[in-house]
Amino acid sequence: AQSVTQLGSHVSVSEGALVLLRCNYSSSVPPYLFWYVQYPNQGLQLLLKYTSAATLVKGINGFEAEFKKSETSFHLTKPSAHMSDAAEYFCAVRAYSGYSTLTFGKGTMLLVSP
Amino acid sequence: DGGITQSPKYLFRKEGQNVTLSCEQNLNHDAMYWYRQDPGQGLRLIYYSQIVNDFQKGDIAEGYSVSREKKESFPLTVTSAQKNPTAFYLCASSQDSGVDEQYFGPGTRLTVT
Repeated sequence: AQSVTQLGSHVSVSEGALVLLRCNYSSSVPPYLFWYVQYPNQGLQLLLKYTSAATLVKGINGFEAEFKKSETSFHLTKPSAHMSDAAEYFCAVRAYSGYSTLTFGKGTMLLVSP
Repeated sequence: DGGITQSPKYLFRKEGQNVTLSCEQNLNHDAMYWYRQDPGQGLRLIYYSQIVNDFQKGDIAEGYSVSREKKESFPLTVTSAQKNPTAFYLCASSQDSGVDEQYFGPGTRLTVT
């Protein structure tokens, strides 16, 4: 069984400030981890994914995430927020071996103020 | 361009009517998925299909049905048995391997009154 917890349904930052969106996972086997972004009334777009190759993963739009096994975390960061980053962000996990479906967190809405 | 199309973008139905949501992909992916999204709930899996003519129930399959007669198509029917059908529905596809991500369509917003 696997699950994802995203801490904070809403996160507010000022433009230019650090973005930190938290994701903790639970998985009985080594996981694959993903971050997706969703703009209003649109589908989800992949930001980045962890597939065990490297613990620090760089994605699109300047985002990155670090896999920390000891903390069962995969937090998403960006050094400097831009107004266009305002969206909802979802963390997701799937099992490393065999076939399994994605389990999504409930999402974190990122609000960026000028 | 390769991608996933969902139609229509907005759909309105009266209570008691069945409605079918379309999902087509030209990515040559084996696996396809249907999710339901409600505010504050994240995405919940309704049905998925790893191969043509085969599909499995997800976490919230009650009141929904699917078919997978072609690799490119995975339509979802919301039946009158679904107690609360108003939601945003997302279709996705993947190559069906552990490392491959899912690609999402633009979604269909269904409103039932």
